Amino acid sequence: EKQLVESGGGLIQPGGSLRLSCAASGFTFSSYNMNWVRQAPGKGLEWVSQISTSSSNIYYVDSVKGRFTISRDNAKNSLYLQMNSLRAEDTAVYYCARDRALYGNVFDIWGQGTMVTVSS
Amino acid sequence: DIQMTQSPPTLSASVGDRVTITCRASQSISSGMAWYQQKPGKAPKLLIYKASNLESGVPSRFSGSGSGTEFTLTISSLQPDDFATYYCQQCNSYPRTFGQGTKVEIK
Repeated sequence: EKQLVESGGGLIQPGGSLRLSCAASGFTFSSYNMNWVRQAPGKGLEWVSQISTSSSNIYYVDSVKGRFTISRDNAKNSLYLQMNSLRAEDTAVYYCARDRALYGNVFDIWGQGTMVTVSS
Repeated sequence: DIQMTQSPPTLSASVGDRVTITCRASQSISSGMAWYQQKPGKAPKLLIYKASNLESGVPSRFSGSGSGTEFTLTISSLQPDDFATYYCQQCNSYPRTFGQGTKVEIK
């Protein structure tokens, strides 16, 4: 079964740092671009970042540029999101999602999400 | 950035109804449109890719159409399992952007 499992969320004070992880199984992780998508409580979906298969191409939404860093370890089938200088507006469920580039660059497999709460 | 305007925000319908959700892109995205379904507390689920292609395992009552800037998601006969929130997403350029969502409620 193709699966993504996020971890690392929690309660963090404004200005703090957190590192999210996403463990992939059931497919060849190194063959797919990967994404982070977030959803603030009661709000819609917001794409956060994408990393290519070899980490050579990386993209961010403007609101996290300079604060968040996406990375991956293909040997460990894992995706990461290092989040620094966290703000209250970063509070959200964070999902990792597989990018199926061959069929329209869509997000075809999603994890269950991990909650990040930024509050004092 | 490409803005995605989805309508209506909320839709009340009955089982068996035909339902249409519209998404407009602020500039042309060719056929780079995807539709997702999300239920409370769950991750989104891919329904449609490249504007009109049905994802494997998705019931045929779901269909997508459009190109350029105007797109629609249609549910031909609404079923109890279809009450959820639906999002469009442009897959043509960065940043990837989603519509605001359409919540389909029981009438």
